[in-house]
Amino acid sequence: AQSVAQPEDQVNVAEGNPLTVKCTYSVSGNPYLFWYVQYPNRGLQFLLKYITGDNLVKGSYGFEAEFNKSQTSFHLKKPSALVSDSALYFCADGGANNLFFGTGTRLTVIP
Amino acid sequence: DAGITQSPRHKVTETGTPVTLRCHQTENHRYMYWYRQDPGHGLRLIHYSYGVKDTDKGEVSDGYSVSRSKTEDFLLTLESATSSQTSVYFCATRRGQGLLSNQPQHFGDGTRLSIL
Repeated sequence: AQSVAQPEDQVNVAEGNPLTVKCTYSVSGNPYLFWYVQYPNRGLQFLLKYITGDNLVKGSYGFEAEFNKSQTSFHLKKPSALVSDSALYFCADGGANNLFFGTGTRLTVIP
Repeated sequence: DAGITQSPRHKVTETGTPVTLRCHQTENHRYMYWYRQDPGHGLRLIHYSYGVKDTDKGEVSDGYSVSRSKTEDFLLTLESATSSQTSVYFCATRRGQGLLSNQPQHFGDGTRLSIL
């Protein structure tokens, strides 16, 4: 079975502080993991993906994610949060044919 | 994103009426998808297409049908809309020849559908 879980519905962080949005996965075989961001009244935008190779993946807008096989995690991180990072974030696993999404984490960056 | 246009962007209709949502892409991507987004559920796959006239069911396909007569267009039809189908519907596309989804999907801006 393939699935991802986002244990936090809401994350609040102060502007300028580092942020982490958590994701864990449960897949058989090698996972293809993705992070997407959604702004109000917009579709999802691709941030980054892990397929194989380096466990630290760098993506758009200064975001990065670390693939941790032993902890089955793929947490999204950014060293210094911006107010404009406030949005809904989705982790997804790319299985055969389609994506399986987590339930989303709403990130609020407080000025 | 990736030249994806969804129409209409908003629609209000009554229970029992047929509804068709359209997704149009200009990127010549082979794969196209329809998702619905509901609070607490993330996005769930309704149907997808892997080529013209080639479609398959997703996780929540009951009550929905799709058609793809051209590469650029993917239609989602609710034959007889019910209140449980009130949702935000997203179309997505993906390039690539393989079935394994190691390429990112690109999303349209959604259709907000309300069924009264």
